[in-house]
Amino acid sequence: EIVLTQSPATLSLSPGERATLSCRASQSVNRNVAWYQQKPGQAPRLLIYDASSRATGIPARFSGSGSGTDFTLTISSLEPEDFAVYYCQQRSSFGPGTKVDIK
Amino acid sequence: EVQLVESGGGLEQPGMSLRLSCSASGFIFDEYAMHWVRQAPGKGLEWLSGISWNGADIGYADSVKGRFTVSRDYAKNSLYLQMNSLRPEDTALYYCARSRLYCDRTNCQGRWDYYFYYLDVWGKGTTVTVSS
Repeated sequence: EIVLTQSPATLSLSPGERATLSCRASQSVNRNVAWYQQKPGQAPRLLIYDASSRATGIPARFSGSGSGTDFTLTISSLEPEDFAVYYCQQRSSFGPGTKVDIK
Repeated sequence: EVQLVESGGGLEQPGMSLRLSCSASGFIFDEYAMHWVRQAPGKGLEWLSGISWNGADIGYADSVKGRFTVSRDYAKNSLYLQMNSLRPEDTALYYCARSRLYCDRTNCQGRWDYYFYYLDVWGKGTTVTVSS
């Protein structure tokens, strides 16, 4: 089973700043990676699939990149509603998450 | 409106059983694979089980294999998770979610672990607590 690691565990930033989140797979997964956002008390929401495709209704400030073992989720300019936990996923594996909180 | 609504959670003693249900609406149920994902209090997401659009392919996480059984009822547009031999570590919020299934090999039929999938619709979850 593929193991996903995410870094950093916590990212403290201010609104308007750029956020860069990393996800690394224990072996190559081509581009078959998704990113989810979860806010407190809410279900996860699909943001990105196939490493770089935005899901329906996801703002353009969210972008994904990468292939093989290294993947990145970028939020170009943080809005107040973007402070949340972000998970990467490949098949049955989820990463441990990165919490983006307000500095 | 596309919607998934879980039910059936509650407090149960270790060793006992629970059956979770997930009612789907707003989409063609038999065109999608369905999944169960859980989240223990304060923890991350754990995929538990998935079932293909036609029920032919099923997968389980090692943590629940042999104890949990997933099924679906097309007439009722519902997904189920039969949970037996419950343990305290099964305490969590249980979500159902839908996905398409994709195959990047010549043939994935019969091999759940060959499929990849993205969970594009989630329910709000139902809470299971296992405690004596």
